[in-house]
Amino acid sequence: AQTVTQSQPEMSVQEAETVTLSCTYDTSESDYYLFWYKQPPSRQMILVIRQEAYKQQNATENRFSVNFQKAAKSFSLKISDSQLGDAAMYFCAYRSGTTGNQFYFGTGTSLTVIP
Amino acid sequence: EAGVAQSPRYKIIEKRQSVAFWCNPISGHATLYWYQQILGQGPKLLIQFQNNGVVDDSQLPKDRFSAERLKGVDSTLKIQPAKLEDSAVYLCASSLGQGSHYEQYFGPGTRLTVT
Repeated sequence: AQTVTQSQPEMSVQEAETVTLSCTYDTSESDYYLFWYKQPPSRQMILVIRQEAYKQQNATENRFSVNFQKAAKSFSLKISDSQLGDAAMYFCAYRSGTTGNQFYFGTGTSLTVIP
Repeated sequence: EAGVAQSPRYKIIEKRQSVAFWCNPISGHATLYWYQQILGQGPKLLIQFQNNGVVDDSQLPKDRFSAERLKGVDSTLKIQPAKLEDSAVYLCASSLGQGSHYEQYFGPGTRLTVT
């Protein structure tokens, strides 16, 4: 089975600053998708950003961008101009593009935004 | 559009008791997922439905867990009998289809405490 590793259980950032959350994964597949999900306290999980493995260009969504290093199997999330509403648990996830539809989630990184 | 609905939001039961959770996906979404999220971990897929058929239940503890989606719309997940290690948040998610490119939309979850 694929594994997803988030080595930072907790991170903090000053409001308006930039923070990068790390994620590595292990797979032998070439066709897959990578995701970052945000889970605010007591609220539902929402998709932040998605990257298709066959695309070399890094995905961006407003203040959120990724650094996708396919050879290194690394998928980090950069949050620019951090806002108080960005405080949440962030999960990195992997999904195969071919063999089944199972999501593999990391253990999460808890992000605190300091005013 | 209305999101994924789940009930109850919280449930406390004693070990060996039974419990059921309900999920109503987004209208028109053919694929429905149940996840178990233990504190400090990422969500783990328990079962995936495509309409009213099971696509993947490889990680469902079938001796005590069961799930159904009889009419291909809403779904119930049951635990009978519950164990202490079943304490977790149970997340329901839905997507238009089962392909990996389809976004999953998550419900708010049901937090189960087994005492």
